[in-house]
Amino acid sequence: GAVVSQHPSRVICKSGTSVKIECRSLDFQATTMFWYRQFPKQSLMLMATSNEGSKATYEQGVEKDKFLINHASLTLSTLTVTSAHPEDSSFYICSASRGASNQPQHFGDGTRLSIL
Amino acid sequence: QQPVQSPQAVILREGEDAVINCSSSKALYSVHWYRQKHGEAPVFLMILLKGGEQKGHEKISASFNEKKQQSSLYLTASQLSYSGTYFCGTEVEAGNNRKLIWGLGTSLAVNP
Repeated sequence: GAVVSQHPSRVICKSGTSVKIECRSLDFQATTMFWYRQFPKQSLMLMATSNEGSKATYEQGVEKDKFLINHASLTLSTLTVTSAHPEDSSFYICSASRGASNQPQHFGDGTRLSIL
Repeated sequence: QQPVQSPQAVILREGEDAVINCSSSKALYSVHWYRQKHGEAPVFLMILLKGGEQKGHEKISASFNEKKQQSSLYLTASQLSYSGTYFCGTEVEAGNNRKLIWGLGTSLAVNP
């Protein structure tokens, strides 16, 4: 159990394009979803935490107008990178949890975003 | 605030043991351990919720010393499949909430 699906797995697009990434919990209700960014050989950098039905909480230094997060249901959260630029190229990973911070996070397979 | 993991990297021969440590300067509510293989998402290993708690997953076990604010992950008789980067996540107080803060990871390579 606890399967999280993330789509797409890879995106290559031109500068200025907006890209939407979906994160779905397939077999459990995810009260909380997390969005991370990971640079090569580095740790997970938390971008934002989203709770179903409420606004996402962004980490310091993450532009909320740049990275739009929507968590409309207990099984789906989306991250939209608006007007993407080459510096936004990265590996983006979502995770889903049943809520409390002492619950395990179950990760999607990640999305490799390349902006040309 | 970020927990310190040590060592940064380990190279083992199949069958050898290893210990990965995770140490925090803040009081901890729980410690999470994950393994990430190259190009893949992290996979949950275990959570330790109470000081003194020990858990096991196959031949991987962990302990949590609440007083010392640290946790250790023990890999016994390592297998090739254990290769990857191990991250600890420490649950700490953050304002009115609690938050998981990730370590920088320990890279483990198990060779035949």
